Amino acid sequence: KAGVTQTPRYLIKTRGQQVTLSCSPISGHRSVSWYQQTPGQGLQFLFEYFSETQRNKGNFPGRFSGRQFSNSRSEMNVSTLELGDSALYLCASSPGQGATGYTFGSGTRLTVV
Amino acid sequence: GQQVMQIPQYQHVQEGEDFTTYCNSSTTLSNIQWYKQRPGGHPVFLIQLVKSGEVKKQKRLTFQFGEAKKNSSLHITATQTTDVGTYFCAGSSGTYKYIFGTGTRLKVLA
Repeated sequence: KAGVTQTPRYLIKTRGQQVTLSCSPISGHRSVSWYQQTPGQGLQFLFEYFSETQRNKGNFPGRFSGRQFSNSRSEMNVSTLELGDSALYLCASSPGQGATGYTFGSGTRLTVV
Repeated sequence: GQQVMQIPQYQHVQEGEDFTTYCNSSTTLSNIQWYKQRPGGHPVFLIQLVKSGEVKKQKRLTFQFGEAKKNSSLHITATQTTDVGTYFCAGSSGTYKYIFGTGTRLKVLA
């Protein structure tokens, strides 16, 4: 059974650019959550999607957006990149109904220069 | 907004010693999850607690959920070098939005 796949694994972007990260959840999982992980702030919740609808949102600026497709794959987009956006972006999936744990992907390491 | 704090931030133990990390939420939780992240890796789900006062065990790991559902703890008995990593709790108020704690980094000295 394939795990959660995130692409790309590493990314270097310049300030002001935009970036799109992709996440393919475990087959059958309908909920996808995104987290930003930095040494100083830990794991910060970005948003959660379920059946193509954003069900929850964290406290990030509007430059951070996401979407989920009908096959449950999800993308997140960050526009007008800032140096402080450098982080590990983690995607996690779960069946989405009932209380179950999340399976995380290996993450995308974004560096903004 | 909801905040989840963990203590201690770091813990160094000799192999064979016990270890405990504590998690405290600013709001009442519907459930709490625990994750382990090895250095250079991603968080891996360990367990979920739902009921007030619940205690669950996984081999040497014991998890507790407080009576008020605002705190939780993870206790490891007789630590091993394979226990090295950062342990996170993640709490939800029932909306599928999980707020992660600040994490406790465990180092085990052989």
